[in-house]
Amino acid sequence: AQKITQTQPGMFVQEKEAVTLDCTYDTSDQSYGLFWYKQPSSGEMIFLIYQGSYDEQNATEGRYSLNFQKARKSANLVISASQLGDSAMYFCAMRHNDYKLSFGAGTTVTVRA
Amino acid sequence: GAVVSQHPSWVICKSGTSVKIECRSLDFQATTMFWYRQFPKQSLMLMATSNEGSKATYEQGVEKDKFLINHASLTLSTLTVTSAHPEDSSFYICSAHADRNPSDTQYFGPGTRLTVL
Repeated sequence: AQKITQTQPGMFVQEKEAVTLDCTYDTSDQSYGLFWYKQPSSGEMIFLIYQGSYDEQNATEGRYSLNFQKARKSANLVISASQLGDSAMYFCAMRHNDYKLSFGAGTTVTVRA
Repeated sequence: GAVVSQHPSWVICKSGTSVKIECRSLDFQATTMFWYRQFPKQSLMLMATSNEGSKATYEQGVEKDKFLINHASLTLSTLTVTSAHPEDSSFYICSAHADRNPSDTQYFGPGTRLTVL
């Protein structure tokens, strides 16, 4: 069974500091993809970053980087230089072979000025 | 690119009525679209997978007669909540799978907030 675990229900971070959001997964697939999405209070799901299971380098997209540790089955998201607009819920997701996504429970990030 | 729209963004209806939600991929063709449901402060729950030209595949526990899905073209999928009741009140989000990009990313619509009185 495919499973995504996010153990941090909520986090506070000071503006301009970095924050790491944890995500572990469980799968028996050899090929899979890992995603992070941001969901602000408006409800829209915003794609942030993607890591393929065969990618050797950690993915980076601007202030977002994904710390992929395949042996540990973890795919933590690092947001550097936090901004007030980063306050939102963040979801880790894994793509199955049939393109379906399994989502973690989410982590609410609140950035303090 | 990879923009997905949903209409309406919110709807309030009376119990017993049916509500149709549209999901469109605006700048790409989507052979597969997905419908999710989300309760407040919870994660997204996949309801069904919608494939163009064929019947939708529903997840376990989702009533197919209750949530009718039609994927009429490569850019449009609709979800109809039939005979809606207050327990159907939720946030419904669609996503479209873009075949063209290497990551096979799903791009999400802005969601539809349904309130059934």
